[in-house]
Amino acid sequence: EPEVTQTPSHQVTQMGQEVILRCVPISNHLYFYWYRQILGQKVEFLVSFYNNEISEKSEIFDDQFSVERPDGSNFTLKIRSTKLEDSAMYFCASPGGVRGGETQYFGPGTRLLVL
Amino acid sequence: RKEVEQDPGPFNVPEGATVAFNCTYSNSASQSFFWYRQDCRKEPKLLMSVYSSGNEDGRFTAQLNRASQYISLLIRDSKLSDSATYLCVVIGGGGGYQKVTFGTGTKLQVIP
Repeated sequence: EPEVTQTPSHQVTQMGQEVILRCVPISNHLYFYWYRQILGQKVEFLVSFYNNEISEKSEIFDDQFSVERPDGSNFTLKIRSTKLEDSAMYFCASPGGVRGGETQYFGPGTRLLVL
Repeated sequence: RKEVEQDPGPFNVPEGATVAFNCTYSNSASQSFFWYRQDCRKEPKLLMSVYSSGNEDGRFTAQLNRASQYISLLIRDSKLSDSATYLCVVIGGGGGYQKVTFGTGTKLQVIP
């Protein structure tokens, strides 16, 4: 199975701080996704990214969030001025094929705790 | 109506039992359908795709009924290792093709 990696595995931050979550997707894939899962709740779509641009985003993905591709292989999710309710597991995912909408392979996640 | 709805369970079944999960979706324009499994505090992992013609993989059978907007997963001869939460995933039907919606998941506990 293709491997998607994420760092850090855990992050603890103070409310109001900025955090950057990192992901290395399956190489050569142009589509990329971020999700979050609050403990005990369902997985929620945040944003999809295609060829260096946001292609779709949910209502959760407001101005507090941004996604970038700082170099050719890594993707980042930045959360500005974190709130307590941002505490969740954040997953990135690569589709199994070149185009989006196909089966998705998830990274192991970053567990974010905002205090 | 929720976009993707599943019975949260838990389903507690003995080893060797057959168990079926259902999932309904509200958007008739949805295009792709999947079942994922998620172990506690782990990432979702693809179990199988779902097609109108049905899809079988060993002990697992998935079925899509577009007319009723209904997806099913059947697990035969349950193993202890099948204990997990099973997530129904629907893709498409939003403003763009890539809208991805997860169900809340159905928890399965297989008992020795």
